Amino acid sequence: AQSVTQLDSHVSVSEGTPVLLRCNYSSSYSPSLFWYVQHPNKGLQLLLKYTSAATLVKGINGFEAEFKKSETSFHLTKPSAHMSDAAEYFCVVRMDSNYQLIWGAGTKLIIKP
Amino acid sequence: DAGVTQSPTHLIKTRGQQVTLRCSPKSGHDTVSWYQQALGQGPQFIFQYYEEEERQRGNFPDRFSGHQFPNYSSELNVNALLLGDSALYLCASSTRTATYEQYFGPGTRLTVT
Repeated sequence: AQSVTQLDSHVSVSEGTPVLLRCNYSSSYSPSLFWYVQHPNKGLQLLLKYTSAATLVKGINGFEAEFKKSETSFHLTKPSAHMSDAAEYFCVVRMDSNYQLIWGAGTKLIIKP
Repeated sequence: DAGVTQSPTHLIKTRGQQVTLRCSPKSGHDTVSWYQQALGQGPQFIFQYYEEEERQRGNFPDRFSGHQFPNYSSELNVNALLLGDSALYLCASSTRTATYEQYFGPGTRLTVT
C-alpha cells in the first residue's frame, strides 16, 4: 500500500534562514510526487511536481525539492525563508496506476522575525 | 479567468440532515475531485468525476454521493449527517490528461451540530 509520511508536524525557522520540510513515501510503483501549500483561509496551491523527469524540481516562490529514489524521499527546501512562507505544506504522492492522490498529514511552517 | 469556485462558503447542519455542496471547475478543466479535510489533517480523497461518471472513489461510505453536470460543474451530497462529517470540503479540478495537477477551490466549511 502506498503512503506518505511528513516527518515533522511543525517546523520553526527564523526569517532569512534555510527551510527544510521532510517527506518520505512508500510505493511499489514509480510515483509522481507533489508539494502543495495552504495559507490560512486560502485554497491549496501547487508548489511543484515531480513526474519522472529531472530529480531536482524547482517550484514557485523559490522552493525546490529533490527526488531520491534510494531514500524514498522528496524533501522540500528553500534557501532563505520569508515571512510570507508561513503556511501548511503537504507532500502528496500519486501512483501511476491510480488517479487517487495520497496526502501527508501536513507540516506547519512557522517563520520567526 | 475564474478559478475553481465553491458554494456555500460556510454551512451549519444538524445530525441526520442532508447537505449539497457545489463546485464549478476552472475554465478548460473537465475533471472534478472532492476531498474532506478534517481540522489539523491532510485532505482525504472522496471521489473523482469525469464525463459525468464517478471514475474513482476513496474510502468513504455510500452516504457520500456526487454528480457531475454536462458543463463539468459538480455536486457533493452527504446524507444522514454525523458529527464526524464536520470538516472543510475541497473541490479540485484538472484536465483528463493531467489529473494529478489539481487546482483547488477555497472550500466549504461544514459544521454538524
